[in-house]
Amino acid sequence: AQSVAQPEDQVNVAEGNPLTVKCTYSVSGNPYLFWYVQYPNRGLQFLLKYITGDNLVKGSYGFEAEFNKSQTSFHLKKPSALVSDSALYFCAVRVPNTGRRALTFGSGTRLQVQP
Amino acid sequence: EPEVTQTPSHQVTQMGQEVILRCVPISNHLYFYWYRQILGQKVEFLVSFYNNEISEKSEIFDDQFSVERPDGSNFTLKIRSTKLEDSAMYFCASSEARGRYTDTQYFGPGTRLTVL
Repeated sequence: AQSVAQPEDQVNVAEGNPLTVKCTYSVSGNPYLFWYVQYPNRGLQFLLKYITGDNLVKGSYGFEAEFNKSQTSFHLKKPSALVSDSALYFCAVRVPNTGRRALTFGSGTRLQVQP
Repeated sequence: EPEVTQTPSHQVTQMGQEVILRCVPISNHLYFYWYRQILGQKVEFLVSFYNNEISEKSEIFDDQFSVERPDGSNFTLKIRSTKLEDSAMYFCASSEARGRYTDTQYFGPGTRLTVL
């Protein structure tokens, strides 16, 4: 069975500092990996995805993520955090060639950016 | 930018009552999904729908649940007899259904269902 782990419930970072939100996955086969963000009282907004190719994926709002197959990780990063980045971040995985389109989500990481 | 919409934003119901949650997927999308998030827990997949039939469902999606595309724009989730444990945020999503499963699922804002 496929699974995703987000080991940190909360990440605190000062505005202007780099941020990292961690995600590791467990699947059999090559994964498709996704990051979504949830602002208060809003739905899940797509940030970026890794399908194949370049391990560094760039997405919306200046976010990027690095796929590391040997460490089975897909950490979300941003060089300089903004207060407006404060939200709940979810990593998700899907395994191709299984006939399944369902996303399996991690438990979420709350990012708090302090001014 | 096109987006998935959901109504109502909040639904309160009594245990045992039927509820219908509504979604309008992005217009050129062909795959539709329902997920739910119980307060403080993970987002969980319920069901996917393509070409007017269920293509995949989880163990959560039992006989109390059903989905329907009643017309060309709406996609609904019906819970026949609600239980207290059905209280959750329900998210609808849609995707283009391009080949090789690379398409992105876009989520609506959710309907918060409270069962009393």
